[in-house]
Amino acid sequence: DIQMTQSPSSLSASVGDRVTITCRASQSISSYLNWYQQKPGKAPKLLIYAASSLQSGVPSRFSGSGSGTDFTLTISSLQPEDFATYYCQQSYSTPPRITFGPGTKVDIK
Amino acid sequence: QLQLQESGPGLVKPSETLSLTCTVSGGSISSSSYYWGWIRQPPGKGLEWIGSIYYSGSTYYNPSLKSRVTISVDTSKNQFSLKLSSVTAADTAVYYCARRFVVVVAATSYFDYWGQGTLVTVSS
Repeated sequence: DIQMTQSPSSLSASVGDRVTITCRASQSISSYLNWYQQKPGKAPKLLIYAASSLQSGVPSRFSGSGSGTDFTLTISSLQPEDFATYYCQQSYSTPPRITFGPGTKVDIK
Repeated sequence: QLQLQESGPGLVKPSETLSLTCTVSGGSISSSSYYWGWIRQPPGKGLEWIGSIYYSGSTYYNPSLKSRVTISVDTSKNQFSLKLSSVTAADTAVYYCARRFVVVVAATSYFDYWGQGTLVTVSS
């Protein structure tokens, strides 16, 4: 199975900061990488699919990049509503063997 | 607007079978571009994919749970269901149902709609 890792596991940042979260796959997954945001007590919300495509309705301050094994999620200017946990998820395997990263918690400095 | 809603017992005894149903409203479960899946999250931990089903009945399961999981679909009721047998305390989690959109031309997929989740506790 493809294993996903994320770094850092948590970070503290201030409103207006630029934040970058990294996700790494144990083998190449091309661009089959999605990013989700989860707030406490809520279901995850899709932010980015296929590594760099912004889901409809998601603010443009969120962006994704990468291919192969290394990916990044960037928040260009952190807003109060962005404090949450972020998960990457690979959709490369055939047949589907979907795996999520362990998550990165973004909290207020 | 598509909505998914999980339902089922919130408390299950060890060694018994956990059963949950996801009701889909605002869209058809029989649409060709979508799989329907279950994901769980133990308290304070990360997300774990359990399995997915197509409206035709084709299923894919997480290998680590495959021996205990059955996912089925009832297109007449616009529902799909999860059964997890021989549960232990380690199966205590919030269980989410979700729609997986499969973009065939791009050979990619993602979970774009989620239910609110339901907490299932395994305890005697």
